[in-house]
Amino acid sequence: GAVVSQHPSWVICKSGTSVKIECRSLDFQATTMFWYRQFPKQSLMLMATSNEGSKATYEQGVEKDKFLINHASLTLSTLTVTSAHPEDSSFYICSAPDSTVGLKKVFFGQGTRLTVV
Amino acid sequence: GENVEQHPSTLSVQEGDSAVIKCTYSDSASNYFPWYKQELGKRPQLIIDIRSNVGEKKDQRIAVTLNKTAKHFSLHITETQPEDSAVYFCAAEEGFKTIFGAGTRLFVKA
Repeated sequence: GAVVSQHPSWVICKSGTSVKIECRSLDFQATTMFWYRQFPKQSLMLMATSNEGSKATYEQGVEKDKFLINHASLTLSTLTVTSAHPEDSSFYICSAPDSTVGLKKVFFGQGTRLTVV
Repeated sequence: GENVEQHPSTLSVQEGDSAVIKCTYSDSASNYFPWYKQELGKRPQLIIDIRSNVGEKKDQRIAVTLNKTAKHFSLHITETQPEDSAVYFCAAEEGFKTIFGAGTRLFVKA
């Protein structure tokens, strides 16, 4: 079945550094991918829509200069958290729709737990 | 944009009882309503879904109902078991963009 892989699964970084998270669709192409953030005991909040070959679309309140999204190929989207601070510590998760599946379902990556110290 | 509200935030039931979680959505353009179960630190797992052209769907102990007119949809779990304990999210999807409800933490007491 369709698989979305996210890397790394967890990362610890120092305050002020940047962290890159990768989201790959392993057996299908995804012109669109989505990035979510989930704080402890809260819901998944949509951050942005990643569009292959064009700029990402950010949700209201999400800083595009802080959360850089690049969708360079049909199977890879990256989220870079720039100048990370402790308040950016969260669970980041991506999703990608597989249009080749009969009913066009969305598949989630396994998530990345970011801890900024 | 779409807004999904979910109630209750916490639900505690005795093993064998039924559990019901209710959601409302705001955007009439949403046409797909998945329900996810999420265990701590893991990705959401799709447990059942319903499309806007259907009013009810059942899969063993799990059923979902949709009232398009009222923009309500609900998850029903019957004969609950301890392993059903988890966080459940309803969601509304339009064009693959998934908007989640706030989540319901379900506790099933043995």
